[in-house]
Amino acid sequence: ETGVTQSPTHLIKTRGQQVTLRCSSQSGHNTVSWYQQALGQGPQFIFQYYREEENGRGNFPPRFSGLQFPNYSSELNVNALELDDSALYLCASSFGGGSYNEQFFGPGTRLTVL
Amino acid sequence: DQQVKQNSPSLSVQEGRISILNCDYTNSMFDYFLWYKKYPAEGPTFLISISSIKDKNEDGRFTVFLNKSAKHLSLHIVPSQPGDSAVYFCAASGTSGTYKYIFGTGTRLKVLA
Repeated sequence: ETGVTQSPTHLIKTRGQQVTLRCSSQSGHNTVSWYQQALGQGPQFIFQYYREEENGRGNFPPRFSGLQFPNYSSELNVNALELDDSALYLCASSFGGGSYNEQFFGPGTRLTVL
Repeated sequence: DQQVKQNSPSLSVQEGRISILNCDYTNSMFDYFLWYKKYPAEGPTFLISISSIKDKNEDGRFTVFLNKSAKHLSLHIVPSQPGDSAVYFCAASGTSGTYKYIFGTGTRLKVLA
């Protein structure tokens, strides 16, 4: 059974650029949630994808967007990067959309915006 | 507005003793609570959860207690081991219609050998 994987592990971008982060869900899982973890903070929910549809969104602006593919892998896209977007981005997979399904996290992508 | 609070940023405990990590929440709609452990350079790992219909859930050395009237939960680790040294996050979710976990800011536990 393969766990949740994320790529790349680290990324450096400059303000105003665009970035795409990728996540492969755990085998058998059909739901992916994305979280942003700023330094010294807990993870903050960005959005969740269930069966290729957005299934809940946190308080993030529209420049944060995502996709889920038929194999349930997912992308997080961030446009017009700002310095405050520097954070660890975590992807979590689960089976079934909804809050109560245990989420398994990947190792994260560390994004630095200069 | 921090709906889930972990007021102790760090905790040091001697090996073999009990570690108690605390978490408070403000939203009465939360009805499912979880604890995750995070090592550096790894994603959070699920430890234990509790539904609001229970006041205690136990799994080996880990026990979570829920006090709904006080909107408080705690994680007890007995006995503590050096390998337990990590950042512990409390998370909550509920039937608010949005499918998300709300995390606290974490408590860094250091177990001293």
